[in-house]
Amino acid sequence: AQSVTQPDIHITVSEGASLELRCNYSYGATPYLFWYVQSPGQGLQLLLKYFSGDTLVQGIKGFEAEFKRSQSSFNLRKPSVHWSDAAEYFCAVGAGRDDKIIFGKGTRLHILP
Amino acid sequence: DTGVSQDPRHKITKRGQNVTFRCDPISEHNRLYWYRQTLGQGPEFLTYFQNEAQLEKSRLLSDRFSAERPKGSFSTLEIQRTEQGDSAMYLCASSFGTAAYEQYFGPGTRLTVT
Repeated sequence: AQSVTQPDIHITVSEGASLELRCNYSYGATPYLFWYVQSPGQGLQLLLKYFSGDTLVQGIKGFEAEFKRSQSSFNLRKPSVHWSDAAEYFCAVGAGRDDKIIFGKGTRLHILP
Repeated sequence: DTGVSQDPRHKITKRGQNVTFRCDPISEHNRLYWYRQTLGQGPEFLTYFQNEAQLEKSRLLSDRFSAERPKGSFSTLEIQRTEQGDSAMYLCASSFGTAAYEQYFGPGTRLTVT
């Protein structure tokens, strides 16, 4: 069965520091992979997606993610975080012909001033 | 493009009551999804429509839950005889055609069952 693991429930970084959020997936075929961000009171916003091709994908708000098939990982990175990046981040995998998305449990990002 | 909208944003109800939520997808999006998100968890798939046809239902969707999408436009999710375990955020998403995985989410309806 498809699954997504985000091993870090909370991450705290200082403003201006670099960020890496971890994500591991389990899926039998070539996965469709996503990162979403959810701010309090807001819906989920798609940051970036990987379907095929270049394994380093660029997203909105300065985020990028790298697909590593050998490690079943799709980690999210940002070189310099801003206070406005504080939110919950969800990694997800697209599964099955019904197009449902399987989400991880999320990583809450805290930013220190 | 006004995005996916959901109504109401918050609903407090007493156990045993029925509730209904509405989702308006992005215009011309033919696919519509419902997810449920409980505290500390990621969203979990509930059901999915292509136009007016309901094509998939999760095991999470007990017989107290029913969803419709008349005319392939807006959708409603009804929960009958609510239980405290139904307290959650109910999220709606929509997508178009072959970009089915590019789902755009609404702000959600937060349900509290007392």
